[in-house]
Amino acid sequence: GQNIDQPTEMTATEGAIVQINCTYQTSGFNGLFWYQQHAGEAPTFLSYNVLDGLEEKGRFSSFLSRSKGYSYLLLKELQMKDSASYLCAVRDDKIIFGKGTRLHILP
Amino acid sequence: EAQVTQNPRYLITVTGKKLTVTCSQNMNHEYMSWYRQDPGLGLRQIYYSMNVEVTDKGDVPEGYKVSRKEKRNFPLILESPSPNQTSLYFCASGKFEKLFFGSGTQLSVL
Repeated sequence: GQNIDQPTEMTATEGAIVQINCTYQTSGFNGLFWYQQHAGEAPTFLSYNVLDGLEEKGRFSSFLSRSKGYSYLLLKELQMKDSASYLCAVRDDKIIFGKGTRLHILP
Repeated sequence: EAQVTQNPRYLITVTGKKLTVTCSQNMNHEYMSWYRQDPGLGLRQIYYSMNVEVTDKGDVPEGYKVSRKEKRNFPLILESPSPNQTSLYFCASGKFEKLFFGSGTQLSVL
């Protein structure tokens, strides 16, 4: 079956670093996405990994290990506006989302 | 501007009254999909389409219909809405490495 797991909630402090993990078990794999979603709004694209390794994009980085079925999203220099849900999604032929991780940022 | 246009933004209806939520994209994407989002359950896929005239069920297709007669449009049809279909709905379209979302439709079925 298809399964994508990520923590339900996390809390971090402004200016700090946080790592959000995602593990997946899917019948096929053609890439892994991370999306950010503020409450009541549409998800917005953060990153896409199809090969193993780390992809860095400004304050955000995403890592993939296909052999372990594992990814993480790393957020550096946290800002209050980073308070949001972060969604991990896997593509085989269709794109399936995890339930999301709600990140709370404390001042 | 490249976008996915979804209408209406808010909809309140009554049980059994047929409704359609429209979705249109101007990026010539082959892949389109509908999701519903409920608290604690995340984004769950209703239907998806890999191309014109090709549609497939997602994880929660019961009570929904879709059509893909042309590449740009992918309407979601609720033939007989029920209160358990009250939810936030998102349409999305994409190419291989990126999915674009519409602004969402908040549907309430009374």
